[in-house]
Amino acid sequence: QQQVKQSPQSLIVQKGGIPIINCAYENTAFDYFPWYQQFPGKGPALLIAIRPDVSEKKEGRFTISFNKSAKQFSLHIMDSQPGDSATYFCAASISNFGNEKLTFGTGTRLTIIP
Amino acid sequence: EAGVAQSPRYKIIEKRQSVAFWCNPISGHATLYWYQQILGQGPKLLIQFQNNGVVDDSQLPKDRFSAERLKGVDSTLKIQPAKLEDSAVYLCASSLVMVGTEAFFGQGTRLTVV
Repeated sequence: QQQVKQSPQSLIVQKGGIPIINCAYENTAFDYFPWYQQFPGKGPALLIAIRPDVSEKKEGRFTISFNKSAKQFSLHIMDSQPGDSATYFCAASISNFGNEKLTFGTGTRLTIIP
Repeated sequence: EAGVAQSPRYKIIEKRQSVAFWCNPISGHATLYWYQQILGQGPKLLIQFQNNGVVDDSQLPKDRFSAERLKGVDSTLKIQPAKLEDSAVYLCASSLVMVGTEAFFGQGTRLTVV
């Protein structure tokens, strides 16, 4: 079964710190790696995504680092704020002209303390 | 733009009873997904439709779960009979049929089987 392994399970960071969440995958056919943010009682929402032709992508305070040879990717949140407290899921899929099936990691519950 | 609509938000049933969930995707989105999210885990794909045809139902427990998408728009997911281990949040998502498109999630239906 295709798997995406995510760590840590939970993370507490002080405001302004840089939480880092890591994911690893096995299937080298994966070519799309999104991160989703989920608040309690809400569905996951796309935060940022990367394809393996680049090693880093930055959008605002969120950065994905991608290491193709190690089959790992990570999410960094710069200048973290209490409003960033949520559960974060990494995911991976194989491009198939809109028929992508996302395989999710197990999630990281992030708490940013003031 | 209206998001993915799901109902009901919450449902409590006894084991061996049946239950149905409804999803209305974003207008124009041909691809529709049903995911199961057990507490503390990432979403797991149950079934994927493109228009009113099934693309992937390999992880759908077909002895008790069924889903349909009549006319390629709304979809219903049914469980009959329910088991305790079916307690989870059932998420519906939709996307356009194109490479790299984002999947938009609804708020989900929280099912508790007692």
